[in-house]
Parts: sequence; C-alpha cells; structure tokens
Amino acid sequence: DVKVTQSSRYLVKRTGEKVFLECVQDMDHENMFWYRQDPGLGLRLIYFSYDVKMKEKGDIPEGYSVSREKKERFSLILESASTNQTSMYLCASSTGQAVAAEAFFGQGTRLTVV
Amino acid sequence: QKEVEQNSGPLSVPEGAIASLNCTYSDRVSQSFFWYRQYSGKSPELIMSIYSNGDKEDGRFTAQLNKASQYVSLLIRDSQPSDSATYLCAVKGYSSASKIIFGSGTRLSIRP
Repeated sequence: DVKVTQSSRYLVKRTGEKVFLECVQDMDHENMFWYRQDPGLGLRLIYFSYDVKMKEKGDIPEGYSVSREKKERFSLILESASTNQTSMYLCASSTGQAVAAEAFFGQGTRLTVV
Repeated sequence: QKEVEQNSGPLSVPEGAIASLNCTYSDRVSQSFFWYRQYSGKSPELIMSIYSNGDKEDGRFTAQLNKASQYVSLLIRDSQPSDSATYLCAVKGYSSASKIIFGSGTRLSIRP
C-alpha cells in the first residue's frame, strides 16, 4: 500500500513564525503535491514537484515555498505565517506516468495561525 | 473560468436511488480523470479513474467521460447512507509532469 505521511496532524503557530510542513512517501513516486482545503473551495494546488529539486507553482503559491531535496520528501514552508493561512493542508504523491497516475493523500495537517 | 467545475450541492438522493454527479473541465488536452470521495475530517480517497471516452463500471459506481464535451460524470447506483460524502472530480494533463487539479466538490447526502 502507498503510504504518504505528514509530520503533524494539528499545528498551532503564531503570526509571523516560519512554519515547516513535512511530507514523506514510501512508494518511490516521482510527483508530489501540496494542496490546501478550505470550506467551499475544494482542494487548491499550492506547489507540485515532478522530480528532486524541481518544482512548479500551482494556483495559490503566494506566501509559500517548497523544498524537495530527496525523492521521498516534500516540504511546504510558510515564510511568515499569517491568519489567512489557517487551513487544512494535504500532501499527495503520484507516479510519473503520463496516464493513470492518481494522487494518494496523506492524513492532512490542520494548521491554525493565531 | 475555473479549470475544473462541479456543482457544490448539497445533492440529496433517497436510499436505493441513483446519484448522478457531474464535472466539466477546461483544458482540452487533459488525459486522466479521477473521482475521489472524502468523508468529513478525512483525506480524499480514490474511487474511480477513467482515461478514454465512454463508460467504466466498478461495482455500484460508473464513471462516464466525454472528451469532446469536456465532461466527466459519476453515477452511484443503489445509493447507501454510507455514500454520503463530498465527491471531488480531479483532472490531470497529458504529460508525466502535469499537475492534478481538483474541483471544489459536490456534497452528497443519502436520505433513508
């Protein structure tokens, strides 16, 4: 079974703090994704990575950065947390196939910025 | 225009009936299409994938794809209370490095 593990289930951080969300997958998947989910807005793509050290911006990259130094690990960084970044963050991974590459999700991190 | 659009619902269907969920997408070169189910407080889980025009059936679920109309649907037959969840449509582009974009989801409620 594919396993995608996010480092924390719940996080509370203060405004202005630098926040790291970590994600690890054990299936040797090429692609990894970070989404945030807010009520009524579905899953919005923040960043994705299709290879080590490679990344592309998603639909809402402002205020975030990412790091992928190893194939299995994809980190999301909030450079200076703000209250409007309070959300559920979901990490996912998929194979590098052009077709049939569904995303497998981690358990999610509920981040609250106070 | 959003890349992937779904009616937000809620869609209320009596137990035992057919639930029909719809999704449209804007990128004509999309190749892979997925339906995920998400229970409250849980992560999305894949229930169906479809890659070519036509119907694909898996148990009580049927996915339908029409690339010419840029339309994907999910039918759930013999709806059960356990089918009550949010259903997310997702679309992937044509290359291995393509992103996967989700719709905002349709909330489905099965009433006994």
